[in-house]
Amino acid sequence: QVQLVESGGGLVKPGGSLRLSCAASGFTFSDFYMSWIRQAPGKGLEWVSHISSSGSTIYYADSVKGRFTISRDNAKNSLYLQMNNLRAEDTAVYYCARGLTYYDILTRRTYYYYYYMDVWGKGTTVTVSS
Amino acid sequence: QSALTQPASVSGSPGQSITISCSGTSSDVGGYNYVSWYQQHPGKAPKLMIYDVSKRPSGVSNRFSGSKSGNTASLTISGLQAEDEADYYCCSYAGSSTLLFGGGTKLTVL
Repeated sequence: QVQLVESGGGLVKPGGSLRLSCAASGFTFSDFYMSWIRQAPGKGLEWVSHISSSGSTIYYADSVKGRFTISRDNAKNSLYLQMNNLRAEDTAVYYCARGLTYYDILTRRTYYYYYYMDVWGKGTTVTVSS
Repeated sequence: QSALTQPASVSGSPGQSITISCSGTSSDVGGYNYVSWYQQHPGKAPKLMIYDVSKRPSGVSNRFSGSKSGNTASLTISGLQAEDEADYYCCSYAGSSTLLFGGGTKLTVL
């Protein structure tokens, strides 16, 4: 079945680095936009970054720009998030999520969205603390 | 960019209808018809319930509906059921390929 499994979370000191991974299965990973979304303890969701199917187009939230790097390896069906210069406010559960697709019967075209996420992993916890 | 504004909590009795609002600006909710809603049960991953303001993904009950007027989007749940008790988040495209979530609304089924 369609599945996303995050890993790589843990406890890190401020200023430290961490690399998150997301293993995809059950679908053609290379066809889909992928995103990272985080949720601080007791708080709401925050979009972090997304990457196009080929990896050629990438966007970041202002809060992580210059510190985080999203990437993907379509041969390994994997999504990554390299997080550098971590701060206490980066403490959160990090989810990877797949962009929604829509097949238009009339035009016989498949549309790929990055702004809707239809499959989510269970998340991996990142704690930044001294 | 500030988070979209949602009420912290709403409640309703089984069988009733409730509406959750999501207020933004002309730079996000009001500027695009790219609004979505997610349901999140405690300790679980979010689930897409509504996209394109009012469309339902396959498998989502037709008790869930979405709408938008100006800078405010709304999620309505009709025929409230116990399993609808969860947190709900709106999300909007906010230009320059960025997304903005709401602060979340806790729905309590009385």
